[in-house]
Amino acid sequence: GQQLNQSPQSMFIQEGEDVSMNCTSSSIFNTWLWYKQDPGEGPVLLIALYKAGELTSNGRLTAQFGITRKDSFLNISASIPSDVGIYFCAGQLYTEGGSEKLVFGKGTKLTVNP
Amino acid sequence: KAGVTQTPRYLIKTRGQQVTLSCSPISGHRSVSWYQQTPGQGLQFLFEYFSETQRNKGNFPGRFSGRQFSNSRSEMNVSTLELGDSALYLCASSVLGGLTEAFFGQGTRLTVV
Repeated sequence: GQQLNQSPQSMFIQEGEDVSMNCTSSSIFNTWLWYKQDPGEGPVLLIALYKAGELTSNGRLTAQFGITRKDSFLNISASIPSDVGIYFCAGQLYTEGGSEKLVFGKGTKLTVNP
Repeated sequence: KAGVTQTPRYLIKTRGQQVTLSCSPISGHRSVSWYQQTPGQGLQFLFEYFSETQRNKGNFPGRFSGRQFSNSRSEMNVSTLELGDSALYLCASSVLGGLTEAFFGQGTRLTVV
């Protein structure tokens, strides 16, 4: 089945530093999504990417949909303490039978030291 | 506008019992999807309902079932609970369906003992 390899698993950074995380797969996806989950909350969608090669920004966040459609990265610039949380990538595709699937990475836990 | 509401927030059940979780979508949203989140397996898609019909289904055994009512509220049922069913169960709703434009609730934390 489809799997997403998300790295790194965790990151410890200083406030103000830039952060980069990525997801790779052997499968091709139609859409890539990046979510953030805070403790006790559900995931919140940060960025959605719909086209191979697409580069999209949302404030200090920038994400790209890989040309091969098998990977994506998320960058956070000038990190702040409220960036702390778990970041998930997700890939969307349709199966041969026409069903829609959403596959998630295992997450990157970000800790920001003030 | 109220967000996705899941009830209860926490639940403890005994192995072998069954459980029903509830999800009220954002007003006007017709699609509800369900996910299981565990430390080991991460976030996994269970199924999606749109206009009272199951439209997509993940790779979970038949013990996991769901339904959607005419007001778009959805319930998920797990029968014959196993210890491994302990997880955070999340639901998400979207206006027209599709898994990529959905808003998540806070989840129901199920513990099976």
